[in-house]
Amino acid sequence: AQSVDQPDAHVTLSEGASLELRCSYSYSAAPYLFWYVQYPGQSLQFLLKYITGDTVVKGTKGFEAEFRKSNSSFNLKKSPAHWSDSAKYFCALEGRDSNNRIFFGDGTQLVVKP
Amino acid sequence: NTKITQSPRYLILGRANKSLECEQHLGHNAMYWYKQSAEKPPELMFLYNLKQLIRNETVPSRFIPECPDSSKLLLHISAVDPEDSAVYFCASSSGTINERLFFGHGTKLSVL
Repeated sequence: AQSVDQPDAHVTLSEGASLELRCSYSYSAAPYLFWYVQYPGQSLQFLLKYITGDTVVKGTKGFEAEFRKSNSSFNLKKSPAHWSDSAKYFCALEGRDSNNRIFFGDGTQLVVKP
Repeated sequence: NTKITQSPRYLILGRANKSLECEQHLGHNAMYWYKQSAEKPPELMFLYNLKQLIRNETVPSRFIPECPDSSKLLLHISAVDPEDSAVYFCASSSGTINERLFFGHGTKLSVL
């Protein structure tokens, strides 16, 4: 079985602050992990993915994420945050034996105040 | 994003039958249907990889997917239910493992 947990349904911070959105996963082997962003009324856009190797992966729009096997986490980070980063962020997992099925966490709604 | 097109954009139905269409111009081998209800994450309904169907067994039988060729995906819905109100996203990927998804703009279905 595999699952993704995003414990923070909402995060609010001020522009210029550092943002970190939390994601933890449960999977019996090393997973493939992704972050996607969804702006209001739009579809999902890919930000970055972790496959193997380096624990910090860089993505689009200035985001990066750190994979920590020790606590099964894959947190998304950006500094500084900009008001245009306000959106819903989804962490997703693909298991190595899942036949390309990708499962999404519940998402974190981020509000960055100008 | 014109690389994956979905039609229609909006659909308002009573208890009727309807089909959603999707076409991708990326040369991908895998195509997906996701359902996103309000304030929820996308939930995988069906996946075709090289035209082999993998289904989410929790999806009601009134939803029937069809993949006439590797670039097209259809979702036939018979006798829609109010709980079917959601945005239905088509997505595609290369079909190899750990590849990102490309999403269409979605079809918003409202059931009266």
